[in-house]
Amino acid sequence: ETGVTQTPRHLVMGMTNKKSLKCEQHLGHNAMYWYKQSAKKPLELMFVYSLEERVENNSVPSRFSPECPNSSHLFLHLHTLQPEDSALYLCASSLGSDRGSSPLHFGNGTRLTVT
Amino acid sequence: AQSVTQPDIHITVSEGASLELRCNYSYGATPYLFWYVQSPGQGLQLLLKYFSGDTLVQGIKGFEAEFKRSQSSFNLRKPSVHWSDAAEYFCAVGAHNQGGKLIFGQGTELSVKP
Repeated sequence: ETGVTQTPRHLVMGMTNKKSLKCEQHLGHNAMYWYKQSAKKPLELMFVYSLEERVENNSVPSRFSPECPNSSHLFLHLHTLQPEDSALYLCASSLGSDRGSSPLHFGNGTRLTVT
Repeated sequence: AQSVTQPDIHITVSEGASLELRCNYSYGATPYLFWYVQSPGQGLQLLLKYFSGDTLVQGIKGFEAEFKRSQSSFNLRKPSVHWSDAAEYFCAVGAHNQGGKLIFGQGTELSVKP
């Protein structure tokens, strides 16, 4: 399997649930990212991990908790979400978070609906 | 601060017609510029990128883009659109030391009519 794989593809959860999104990359990259894509809004960068260390957290609420156990895997743990958190969550990877010439490779996303 | 503007939210073109999608950016230095395409239910796929050198860059699927510093633009073009090109297109800007921390435009949705 190649590229960036995200699971699940779709997730419906209540506001009191706890769930996790998973991302796995098979590209040998050492930087991974979570982006949020909401309708009618530009993609929003949420978190950046480089060599398993978080290097960026763009003022994301604490109900979103990322985890990067190794350079190939990235998780986004969710708890007590709000309906406005419903969106497409995209994982991406690149060769390096400090290398602007390294393009992002995206997964197909997890469509999250919070009820 | 960096920013990207895609003035056209939605464009419809006839199959076989030419296409130009507009992108304007704001950045103090020479930017890294990207175009991505997103089909329904999919992630974003890189079409092409500009870092330096020749201002006309070729990408996949017959797309090209031209960097015009004087106009702060990086418009995407295709001479003849195919029905399979219907998708959403995103322009993005980055900096040399900021890796994948890209700033994206709002996207342009392309419809192709037969």
